[in-house]
Amino acid sequence: QKEVEQDPGPLSVPEGAIVSLNCTYSNSAFQYFMWYRQYSRKGPELLMYTYSSGNKEDGRFTAQVDKSSKYISLFIRDSQPSDSATYLCAMSPPGGGADGLTFGKGTHLIIQP
Amino acid sequence: EAEVAQSPRYKITEKSQAVAFWCDPISGHATLYWYRQILGQGPELLVQFQDESVVDDSQLPKDRFSAERLKGVDSTLKIQPAELGDSAMYLCASRSRTGGNTEAFFGQGTRLTVV
Repeated sequence: QKEVEQDPGPLSVPEGAIVSLNCTYSNSAFQYFMWYRQYSRKGPELLMYTYSSGNKEDGRFTAQVDKSSKYISLFIRDSQPSDSATYLCAMSPPGGGADGLTFGKGTHLIIQP
Repeated sequence: EAEVAQSPRYKITEKSQAVAFWCDPISGHATLYWYRQILGQGPELLVQFQDESVVDDSQLPKDRFSAERLKGVDSTLKIQPAELGDSAMYLCASRSRTGGNTEAFFGQGTRLTVV
């Protein structure tokens, strides 16, 4: 079992829908959680960064962390065709040494106009 | 806007040849990572630097891969000899410091094709 599990999709939804993307993880040492968006043949772009359980909102994006369930989510409201991309969840332990990010496989999202 | 710079963007090399990638992190960022991303997968960590020191290279295939960050600023990742299975996107990321509670920013990557 991989440390971070993420459904690769593809996930196809109509424009304007609410999108829910999820990851589960097994390593309880993870403390910092990130969501990246990656367009084809580009580097990952940081969307959301959270620490500890709870919600964080930024525009149309909401990140949710439930450490007790080892489950994180990204919600996209009023989805747009330009949101079509691969969404990667990533997480890292507390720092002070080796704290590289561990990624999920990425979910390929398609927003249909 | 500050960004992580990588070059080249694309590289095609023949099997058994040597290849090198360069990364210049965001100014002032002490922590630098190299990741490899195979098509359809998430990035996987190869090596982490804190300033000029290697913090984690446990996943770096040391028989053919090497990485350095001599002055604690820019970094080079080398593969010698390249194998067909090395075809992937090589990503560099930087963070202002190790310690976890800072964002990691990625460059645009170098897409390597080994033929």
